[in-house]
Amino acid sequence: QVQMVQSGAEVRKPGASVKVSCKSSGYSFSRYYMHWVRQAPGQGLEWVGMISPSDGSTSYAQKFQGRVTMTRDPSTTTDYMEMSSLKSEDTAVYYCARGLYEDYGYFDFWGHGAQVTVSS
Amino acid sequence: EIVLTQSPATLSLSPGERATLSCRASESISKYLGWYQQKPGQAPRLLIFDASNRATGVPVRFIGSGSGADFTLTISSLEPEDFAVYYCQQRGDWPPFTFGPGTKVELK
Repeated sequence: QVQMVQSGAEVRKPGASVKVSCKSSGYSFSRYYMHWVRQAPGQGLEWVGMISPSDGSTSYAQKFQGRVTMTRDPSTTTDYMEMSSLKSEDTAVYYCARGLYEDYGYFDFWGHGAQVTVSS
Repeated sequence: EIVLTQSPATLSLSPGERATLSCRASESISKYLGWYQQKPGQAPRLLIFDASNRATGVPVRFIGSGSGADFTLTISSLEPEDFAVYYCQQRGDWPPFTFGPGTKVELK
């Protein structure tokens, strides 16, 4: 069965960086896009970006351009999202979400989420 | 950027009743709209993609419809497990993929 296990909760100070991981199993890792979506406390969902399975190319929401980097390691079937210059507004649960095979613009399996807290 | 608005913000219903949730896009997105269900402390779950296609394992009581800029999610007869927050999401014009603010379906 499809599983996506994310790294644990992180606490960072403003201006620092954080790297969240998402280890996938139960499906062909190299055939699916991976997205990252975040959810601030009590708020809705916000798309951060995605990474292609074929060549590792990425697409990020403009508001995160220059601050986020998504990578993947096929040898360990793990995706990573690193965000730098953190602000308190970046406090959120960060989800990895697999792109639907028929249309990678929808998200059919989600990780359990990784809490990132930015506080001085 | 495509902006999605959802109405109502909260829907108070009883089990067995019909729920009708609306999502409107700031411009036409053809059929490219999905719906997700999220329960407290859980990740979202894909219910519907391309406006009307149920995702694998989704019960038939979840019905998506619409095209262009106006979309509807209907839950034909609410089950106790259906009380949750529902988000619409567009992939018609990206990046970015965008979500609506959500509709909470609560127990009356």
